[in-house]
Amino acid sequence: GENVEQHPSTLSVQEGDSAVIKCTYSDSASNYFPWYKQELGKGPQLIIDIRSNVGEKKDQRIAVTLNKTAKHFSLHITETQPEDSAVYFCAASDPPGGSNYKLTFGKGTLLTVNP
Amino acid sequence: DTGVSQDPRHKITKRGQNVTFRCDPISEHNRLYWYRQTLGQGPEFLTYFQNEAQLEKSRLLSDRFSAERPKGSFSTLEIQRTEQGDSAMYLCASSSHNSPLHFGNGTRLTVT
Repeated sequence: GENVEQHPSTLSVQEGDSAVIKCTYSDSASNYFPWYKQELGKGPQLIIDIRSNVGEKKDQRIAVTLNKTAKHFSLHITETQPEDSAVYFCAASDPPGGSNYKLTFGKGTLLTVNP
Repeated sequence: DTGVSQDPRHKITKRGQNVTFRCDPISEHNRLYWYRQTLGQGPEFLTYFQNEAQLEKSRLLSDRFSAERPKGSFSTLEIQRTEQGDSAMYLCASSSHNSPLHFGNGTRLTVT
């Protein structure tokens, strides 16, 4: 089955700096890579996703890059704000609607943005 | 609120008791998933349904666990003879064709 490794496990940045979280996956058949943000006491919330037919996707201060050959993908958050503080999870799977659409998650990164 | 709803939010039970959790997915979503999350870990897949059919079960889902989705709408997850190792957050998620997984806020189970 799929195995997703995520680094770092904790990340502390100053407000306004950038944050980068990296993930690798094992199953070359995976072609859908979402990122979720989880705040204390809440369920994970999707913040951005990417499919294997593109190498980069941006949404305001958030971007995700994918290197399918190397089987790794990264989350980039620019101009970080204190409200970005949370646990971030990467995941890998078949795409939504596919017969094997079943997310495998990394272990998470606790991001702390210091004012 | 039209998101995924889970009940209860918290459950404390004694070892050996049975517990049941409920999940109400987003109404038009035909797929429903159960995940388990322990402290400091990512969510781990337990099982999923497409409409009322349970299509896959993880090896994490021991025979003390059973999930149902009788009419293809809400789902229940029952744990029989709870053990301390069952203490975790149980997350429900739903999706439909071509939509990503939407998670509820989970049920936190504590087994004493």
